[in-house]
Amino acid sequence: DAGVIQSPRHEVTEMGQEVTLRCKPISGHNSLFWYRQTMMRGLELLIYFNNNVPIDDSGMPEDRFSAKMPNASFSTLKIQPSEPRDSAVYFCASSTSSGNTQYFGPGTRLTVL
Amino acid sequence: QKEVEQNSGPLSVPEGAIASLNCTYSDRGSQSFFWYRQYSGKSPELIMFIYSNGDKEDGRFTAQLNKASQYVSLLIRDSQPSDSATYLCAVNSLDSNYQLIWGAGTKLIIKP
Repeated sequence: DAGVIQSPRHEVTEMGQEVTLRCKPISGHNSLFWYRQTMMRGLELLIYFNNNVPIDDSGMPEDRFSAKMPNASFSTLKIQPSEPRDSAVYFCASSTSSGNTQYFGPGTRLTVL
Repeated sequence: QKEVEQNSGPLSVPEGAIASLNCTYSDRGSQSFFWYRQYSGKSPELIMFIYSNGDKEDGRFTAQLNKASQYVSLLIRDSQPSDSATYLCAVNSLDSNYQLIWGAGTKLIIKP
């Protein structure tokens, strides 16, 4: 079975550019989570969706961040404009429902110069 | 603010010994408890979960839950160098809308 798929795996961009991260959850999973991980702050939940609907986006740092889930098999996290402090590893995870075991994708390592 | 706390380590354990990792949580309504392992540069992967008080064993791993004292622990028997990683504790509860609340992780080093 395919796990959670994320793309790109690495992204290097310059400050001010738009960045789009993509995620395909495990088929049949109803909940999808976007996390950011840094050495300083650890694993932070940015937003999570249940049945394609955003349930809690209180972790989204600011208006520069937005996330969408147009269907059950695809989600995007967009940063516009990007800033150096956005440099981190961004993980997507999915589960059969909120609170159940979450399965993580390989992550996208973002570097903003 | 619901919290999950772990000692950041590093915890150094000789090969073959038992590694003991601990996690405390603040929400008495917590219902499910998860241990994830994360190798450097990789994503977190589930080791095991526990719902009920007591012990749950899976191979060399044992999770222990004590809801009265609000802690959960992970024991790794016969520690191997390949167990060297960061171990993340996660907890969910009704109050957090069943989201997982994550600890900061404990870095474990198994010395050959």
